[in-house]
Amino acid sequence: DTGVSQDPRHKITKRGQNVTFRCDPISEHNRLYWYRQTLGQGPEFLTYFQNEAQLEKSRLLSDRFSAERPKGSFSTLEIQRTEQGDSAMYLCASSLEGSGRSYNEQFFGPGTRLTVL
Amino acid sequence: GQSLEQPSEVTAVEGAIVQINCTYQTSGFYGLSWYQQHDGGAPTFLSYNGLDGLEETGRFSSFLSRSDSYGYLLLQELQMKDSASYFCAVAVRNKLSFGAGTTVTVRA
Repeated sequence: DTGVSQDPRHKITKRGQNVTFRCDPISEHNRLYWYRQTLGQGPEFLTYFQNEAQLEKSRLLSDRFSAERPKGSFSTLEIQRTEQGDSAMYLCASSLEGSGRSYNEQFFGPGTRLTVL
Repeated sequence: GQSLEQPSEVTAVEGAIVQINCTYQTSGFYGLSWYQQHDGGAPTFLSYNGLDGLEETGRFSSFLSRSDSYGYLLLQELQMKDSASYFCAVAVRNKLSFGAGTTVTVRA
């Protein structure tokens, strides 16, 4: 399968614990995005990488969230001191560099569903 | 910031045509796109409009009017497998901003 993969698919944790998610994008894509989706809502942008550079981060993202893409390939999203409000589906997407359609045509992974008890 | 409005639910019978409207307000604009998401699945790209007019991809078509900040997705010859959520999204700089989604239910 050459699509976007995410690991783990499900994560249950207790409030206050740290969690880390991994995303492997499509290999030739140099853009990588993280989104969060809650029930009944569309994906909400969290952050964006072009190669290894984190170029944009949502103002809604608290300091407890950090993301890396050390070699411009896979990416990790870490949430420290989790809160019940962090419970959501965390989606990763990737796309090719370019303009117009490439901004819009993003390929999403299956997501990591986080439940904070 | 960006805001997008689309209806929350639409129900139709197999073989029918459904139009999902989307109005948006945005401080920048690089195109309007549509995504489909089945229950428990990942969003998948359906179509993109960068310029005014109609784009057709099989049974699905999408329209954009930039002067009206308006677009729609047209689903024709509805099939049961089209039951899903459909999201419009505007591209602003380096990210997509999504609407809350329209749940389409196709009945036999």
